Parts: sequence; C-alpha cells; structure tokens
Amino acid sequence: NAGVMQNPRHLVRRRGQEARLRCSPMKGHSHVYWYRQLPEEGLKFMVYLQKENIIDESGMPKERFSAEFPKEGPSILRIQQVVRGDSAAYFCASSPGVQIPYGYTFGSGTRLTVV
Amino acid sequence: AQSVTQLGSHVSVSEGALVLLRCNYSSSVPPYLFWYVQYPNQGLQLLLKYTSAATLVKGINGFEAEFKKSETSFHLTKPSAHMSDAAEYFCAVSANSGNTPLVFGKGTRLSVIA
Repeated sequence: NAGVMQNPRHLVRRRGQEARLRCSPMKGHSHVYWYRQLPEEGLKFMVYLQKENIIDESGMPKERFSAEFPKEGPSILRIQQVVRGDSAAYFCASSPGVQIPYGYTFGSGTRLTVV
Repeated sequence: AQSVTQLGSHVSVSEGALVLLRCNYSSSVPPYLFWYVQYPNQGLQLLLKYTSAATLVKGINGFEAEFKKSETSFHLTKPSAHMSDAAEYFCAVSANSGNTPLVFGKGTRLSVIA
C-alpha cells in the first residue's frame, strides 16, 4: 500500500521559470493538502483540495501559485515565474475523509531551489 | 481560529533522560491535537493524536502526550531518550468540526547526546 507519492524529490528552476509539483494521495484518500516549509518557520498551510474542487486556498499567495486535483491523475501545485523566495520544501498530505480526525499522511516532499 | 505555540526551538537531552517537548494551543472550539516527527529530508510521520477521548494519549516509539484543557497544553513526553529520537517534532491543531486544515507550530528540534 503505497503512501503519498510526491515527485520530483528535488527541483531546480531558474528565476522566471515554472515549477510543477505532483502529488498522488494514498489509495482511498480523496482529500489533499499542500504545505510549504521554510527553515525555522514550520509548515504553512497553502491549499486544501478534493477531487475537482478547491475547498480552502486561504494560504495560497494571490499571484503565480495555483493548484488542482483533477478527476484523474495526481494533484498539481504550479508556481509560475518562480523567484528566489519560492525556494522551500513543499509537502503534500492526504486524508480519507472529514468525519473522523484521521490525521494526515504526508509525502516526502519536493525541495524546490530557485537559482 | 486555531494556533499552536511550541516553546523552545531546540531541546537537547542526554541519552536515557526524560524528553519533554512543550506545546500550547489556542482554539475557539474543541480541538483535535497531533504530534508529528520529521527526520532529515523526510516527510512528517504521525506520532499520536488527541480526539476528545482519553486525555492521556500513547503513540509510537514510546511517546505519549497529555491533553490539559485548563492549561491549553498538549506536551509530548518520553521517559527515556534514545539516539534515534533525534529529529524535529511538530505539534498541530485543528478544529473539532468539519475538516479544517491542520495548523502547525514552528517545530522543536530534539538533539540526543550520548
């Protein structure tokens, strides 16, 4: 039973390029969450998605960042025109539902470096 | 709204000594509380969770935490530290309703000295 799969593990982009981060949730999980981790700042919530729906994007920067979770395929976090400040570890987590506090299962993260 | 404060960004203990990592929360509704551990270059792994049942919660690797409503605390303890416990530990809170995203503290890095 594979866990949450994130790829790539490491991503290097030049300033101005686009970064696409992928996340496949655990089998049976229909809720996906994206977090960003910066040194000494812990994890910051970015967006919460269910299949084909964005439920909460209160943590997403207003510009350049977008997320989707299509009916088929992985969830994608997209960062357009990356800047050095986007360098961070991005974690995806999934959970099976809302009624019970399962806690989240996290992927191993994508470490984005903008040069 | 929920928030978490972890006291001490870095804690150092001797091998075999008691581990105590502090977490205080703020929540306008009854909370769910979690502790996660992160090893270098890895994702977060759930250690334990409080979901309004027993106030003393036992988790993996010998860790436990006690929910104290009067103190709004959920401190993590382990009687005897092992070298393999060296990692970063995160406390998190969510509201006891719906599926509100987890809010994490800034983390506490635990070092274990031989």
